[in-house]
Amino acid sequence: EIVLTQSPATLSLSPGERATLSCRASQSVSSYLAWYQQKPGQAPRLLIYDASNRATGIPARFSGSGSGTDFTLTISSLEPEDFAVYYCQQRSNWSWTFGQGTKVEIK
Amino acid sequence: QVQLVESGGGVVQPGGSLRLSCAASGFTFSSYGMHWVRQAPGKGLEWVAFIRYDGSNKYYADSVKGRFTISRDNSKNTLYLQMNSLRAEDTAVYYCAKAQIQLNAFDIWGQGTMVTVSS
Repeated sequence: EIVLTQSPATLSLSPGERATLSCRASQSVSSYLAWYQQKPGQAPRLLIYDASNRATGIPARFSGSGSGTDFTLTISSLEPEDFAVYYCQQRSNWSWTFGQGTKVEIK
Repeated sequence: QVQLVESGGGVVQPGGSLRLSCAASGFTFSSYGMHWVRQAPGKGLEWVAFIRYDGSNKYYADSVKGRFTISRDNSKNTLYLQMNSLRAEDTAVYYCAKAQIQLNAFDIWGQGTMVTVSS
């Protein structure tokens, strides 16, 4: 099973700052990497798929990059509604796994 | 609009059974694979099971293999998860999620239904 490790566990930032979240895979996942945002009491929401493609309706301040084993989600300028938990997710053959999450909190 | 609505959660004793349902609307349900994903209280997301658009193939996480069964009724636009031999560690919010055509990501999620396994 491919393990995804996200870092840092918690990111403390102020509105307007840039957020950089990392996701590392235990083996190559090619570009089959997605990012989700989850707010308390809500379902996850797809942000990025196939490493760098924004999902429908996702603002341009969210961007994804990387391939192979190292991936990054960047939020260029944090808005108040962006403070949440972010998960990366990969697909390998017929198995899907998630990272443990990064919480972006208000500093 | 595109919507997934889960139901069937509740409290069940260890060793018991429960069947979850997920009603889909706003898209051609029979054209897409579907997943179940769960989240234990205060924990991260865990993929549980996937079923292809026509029900021809099903895949499970090792943690539920042999105990859970995913199925679908395309005539009713409904996805199911039959959960048997439930354990305390199955306690979680269960989400159904629509697969992208490429199957790499989950693009639509339901609001979730809570399952509590406790005596």
